[in-house]
Amino acid sequence: EVQLVQSGAEVKKPGESLKISCKSSGYSFTSYWIGWVRQMPGKGLEWMGIIYPGDSDTRYRPSFQGQVTISADKSISTAYLQWSSLKASDTAMYYCARKPDSISYFDYWGQGTLVTVSS
Amino acid sequence: EIVLTQSPGTLSLSPGERATLSCRASQSVSSSYLAWYQQKPGQAPRLLIYGASSRATGIPDRFSGSGSGTDFTLTISRLEPEDFAVYYCQHYDGSLWTFGQGTKVEIK
Repeated sequence: EVQLVQSGAEVKKPGESLKISCKSSGYSFTSYWIGWVRQMPGKGLEWMGIIYPGDSDTRYRPSFQGQVTISADKSISTAYLQWSSLKASDTAMYYCARKPDSISYFDYWGQGTLVTVSS
Repeated sequence: EIVLTQSPGTLSLSPGERATLSCRASQSVSSSYLAWYQQKPGQAPRLLIYGASSRATGIPDRFSGSGSGTDFTLTISRLEPEDFAVYYCQHYDGSLWTFGQGTKVEIK
């Protein structure tokens, strides 16, 4: 069974750093892309970036380039999304999702990680 | 960047009725790269339709997708209680994944 299990909710202060995780199981981690999607409170879905753990090929939506870093650790089948300096506007639910190679859609999703940034 | 505009914003219907949701692209797109997702409150999105008209694994046949060029439609033939949710269309243009703003299907 394919599963993407994300790390738990986080409460942080502006300026703090954060790394959230997405652990995959039930499939070959290095043969699928993992994307990250933001959902701000009461809003829609926004694609942030994507990584191919097989070769670490990473792509970002221009508005997120330089604002977040996406990485993956093949040895533990886990992808990460990290911030070096959080802002209040980073408050949102963040989802990871699997994308088959050469396919354009996301077929399995994590349960989401709620990040709250408040002073 | 291609913009996807979904309409209506909210659809108020009763169980058993037919729901027709629209997704319009700002320029012609390949139907191969058009997908639909369902999101219920407090849950992650779920893939419903890919390639504009192919149902994902386990999706009931009351869900169907159609369209080409700039106009795409998700149809739910007879609404079940569990179908009341928010629906998003999504497109990939070769470098960016873009979602529509969503259509909420609510109980009338």
